Amino acid sequence: DAGVIQSPRHEVTEMGQEVTLRCKPISGHDYLFWYRQTMMRGLELLIYFNNNVPIDDSGMPEDRFSAKMPNASFSTLKIQPSEPRDSAVYFCASSLDHRGITEAFFGQGTRLTVV
Amino acid sequence: ILNVEQSPQSLHVQEGDSTNFTCSFPSSNFYALHWYRWETAKSPEALFVMTLNGDEKKKGRISATLNTKEGYSYLYIKGSQPEDSATYLCAPDTGRRALTFGSGTRLQVQP
Repeated sequence: DAGVIQSPRHEVTEMGQEVTLRCKPISGHDYLFWYRQTMMRGLELLIYFNNNVPIDDSGMPEDRFSAKMPNASFSTLKIQPSEPRDSAVYFCASSLDHRGITEAFFGQGTRLTVV
Repeated sequence: ILNVEQSPQSLHVQEGDSTNFTCSFPSSNFYALHWYRWETAKSPEALFVMTLNGDEKKKGRISATLNTKEGYSYLYIKGSQPEDSATYLCAPDTGRRALTFGSGTRLQVQP
């Protein structure tokens, strides 16, 4: 398996524009996580899915953020409208629940810059 | 919000030195403790998952111990090498399957 695949790797956009980040989890994994890395807050969990169903979105900072998982092999994180403070590296991770233990495998991240 | 504390925040050691860092977490609702290694410009990679009080895991020169009663875990690196330079993250799992990461310990090993 190629691992968790995220696209794009880098995104530069203007304030107010819509941004969509994409993630393809490892085949067979039943959990998918979206994390954001910032200098101030480190690696923070935004939302996670189990079997394509959102379980906890309490980490989503504002209504401008939304995430979907239409099927087991694809998820999107959308920011609309984007703001400069959204600039960060966004990571997607997936895991397989094995006897209650989930080891998360991370994608390479999308570096978002909002100018 | 799960309170996870890692110390020290950063560490500079010389090649060959042994070092250790600490992860503190709430001892209630404990399910598992994960350690991740995160190299600059890469993505976090899992090192260990520990579940039982007194657990000890080892991978090469890196080992970890777990105390679930008092809520802490130690990560040890024996004979640090420059390639060990990375940020080491811990993340307790309370059973909800999503990991809350600490802010990490940034290790720099000087040749």
